[in-house]
Amino acid sequence: DAGVIQSPRHEVTEMGQEVTLRCKPISGHDYLFWYRQTMMRGLELLIYFNNNVPIDDSGMPEDRFSAKMPNASFSTLKIQPSEPRDSAVYFCASSFRSDQETQYFGPGTRLLVL
Amino acid sequence: RKEVEQDPGPFNVPEGATVAFNCTYSNSASQSFFWYRQDCRKEPKLLMSVYSSGNEDGRFTAQLNRASQYISLLIRDSKLSDSATYLCVVNRAGTALIFGKGTTLSVSS
Repeated sequence: DAGVIQSPRHEVTEMGQEVTLRCKPISGHDYLFWYRQTMMRGLELLIYFNNNVPIDDSGMPEDRFSAKMPNASFSTLKIQPSEPRDSAVYFCASSFRSDQETQYFGPGTRLLVL
Repeated sequence: RKEVEQDPGPFNVPEGATVAFNCTYSNSASQSFFWYRQDCRKEPKLLMSVYSSGNEDGRFTAQLNRASQYISLLIRDSKLSDSATYLCVVNRAGTALIFGKGTTLSVSS
């Protein structure tokens, strides 16, 4: 299996621009998670889906952030408009059958907003 | 108070040393416990689950103390390749995994 795939791996953009991060979970996994990691705050859960349905989006920082999962093999995290404080590494992870089982992380997208 | 707290370190130890990391969690309803490992500029990966009776995987031993709400990870005979950040992870029913900020280990020759 290819594992969790994320794109782009690196993104540099200017404040105010729209940013779209993409994730392909491991085939057959029912759960998909979006995290943000910074030195100050560590790894924070933003939102997670079960069978393409959002279960908990309480970690989404504000309305500028939105996430979708149109099908079992694809999810997007969008930031519009982006701000410098959004600079972080964004990880996507997936797990099989439960939100309490081992999560498999993608390589992450390093976002820098200037 | 954060739900999962860890000493951030860094822990700097020589090869062959034994090192222990501790983690405390605030919610007594937590049910599952894990240690993840994250290498520099890489994604987190599961190192091992933590069971109530304690468990061992080669040079790694994990312990859980539910009464004190405390988890530990012991690494014996440290290798250079053990240098990484170790994330303590807990969860409770109805929630996803909650990650600590991690403890950084640096093993030197």
